[in-house]
Amino acid sequence: QVQLVESGGGLVKPGGSLRLSCAASGFTFSDYYMSWIRQAPGKGLEWVSYISSSGSTIYYADSVKGRFTISRDNAKNSLYLQMNSLRAEDTAVYYCARVAMVHLHFDYWGQGTLVTVSS
Amino acid sequence: EIVLTQSPATLSLSPGERATLSCGASQSVSSSYLAWYQQKPGLAPRLLIYDASSRATGIPDRFSGSGSGTDFTLTISRLEPEDFAVYYCQQYGSSPPITFGQGTRLEIK
Repeated sequence: QVQLVESGGGLVKPGGSLRLSCAASGFTFSDYYMSWIRQAPGKGLEWVSYISSSGSTIYYADSVKGRFTISRDNAKNSLYLQMNSLRAEDTAVYYCARVAMVHLHFDYWGQGTLVTVSS
Repeated sequence: EIVLTQSPATLSLSPGERATLSCGASQSVSSSYLAWYQQKPGLAPRLLIYDASSRATGIPDRFSGSGSGTDFTLTISRLEPEDFAVYYCQQYGSSPPITFGQGTRLEIK
């Protein structure tokens, strides 16, 4: 069965960096676009970034552009999110999600990892 | 950027009743590329509906989606106790950016 397991969250000071990872299993990872979506405490969902199956196409939300970098390693079935210059408003649960084969909706989600940005 | 507005913010109903949740878009969503998700406390969202009206794998047929253009609806025909949750719509017809609605909380009356 499809499994997505995020890791790497934690407490970081404003201006700091963190790298999230998402380990995928149960499907052919290299066939699918992947995405990161976040949810601030008590708030709604916010799309962060997505990456094509080969890694050649990448998009970011304006709120993270220039600070976050999405990447993938198809040999390791893994997705990453490098987060730099973190701000208090980046505090959220970060979900890794598989993009459905045809269109840009999300058919499988990980359990999420909490990132807290605070001094 | 397409802004999605969900209504009502909170819906209070009893098990067995019919629920109608709305999602309005600030501009037309091309090809009806709209999805609905259910989220329960402490859990990740779950895909219910994609392409406005197609049920995702394993989703009961009491869930249905409809609409086009700027007006979309999620209907739950007869509420089961496990259906009380927060529901989000998401558009992918004009992306990036992909956008979500702010959510509708469906609570037990």
